[in-house]
Amino acid sequence: DTGVSQDPRHKITKRGQNVTFRCDPISEHNRLYWYRQTLGQGPEFLTYFQNEAQLEKSRLLSDRFSAERPKGSFSTLEIQRTEQGDSAMYLCASSPFRSSGNTIYFGEGSWLTVV
Amino acid sequence: AQSVTQLGSHVSVSEGALVLLRCNYSSSVPPYLFWYVQYPNQGLQLLLKYTSAATLVKGINGFEAEFKKSETSFHLTKPSAHMSDAAEYFCAVSDALGNRDDKIIFGKGTRLHILP
Repeated sequence: DTGVSQDPRHKITKRGQNVTFRCDPISEHNRLYWYRQTLGQGPEFLTYFQNEAQLEKSRLLSDRFSAERPKGSFSTLEIQRTEQGDSAMYLCASSPFRSSGNTIYFGEGSWLTVV
Repeated sequence: AQSVTQLGSHVSVSEGALVLLRCNYSSSVPPYLFWYVQYPNQGLQLLLKYTSAATLVKGINGFEAEFKKSETSFHLTKPSAHMSDAAEYFCAVSDALGNRDDKIIFGKGTRLHILP
């Protein structure tokens, strides 16, 4: 299976620590998205890339958050100085550019718990 | 700005009964519309999508949805519920014009409970 892969699947960290999540998109998908989902809510858009270019960042993405996609393939999402409010599932998704219907394909998500 | 509203955060139906999950959208441009399903501790899986072709869209697992522009609705239905349909369902919208700002925006979700 060559779907969207996310690592780690679960992360427990102490408040104030930095964490990094990795996403490997479906091969040859040049768009990559990050979403955040909290319990009982729908996914909230954080940011997306087309190849290595970061095209948009949500206001939800404070300056403690940074995302990169240096070679236009995998992406990392780093959270610095974590806070309890950062506890959520971080979802990565990818799509071919201008695919019919803009369908995006999600990974299994990375759960973050800040204690 | 685009948005979707899902009516009912929880819906319960008996096994074998009709499933109806409601979604209304708001969009200033022609929309693409989606339904995704999420099982516990998993990512989201595409059920079906509307891309301005047929207004009645058939998806996986026996689900279908009808695009009604006059009502700005895209409700999800299934004639006969199965226990395995118990999950969270998300309606979503994106810009069909292929503009740069064409990310997908999700609703808050509806949790479907199936009663034996």
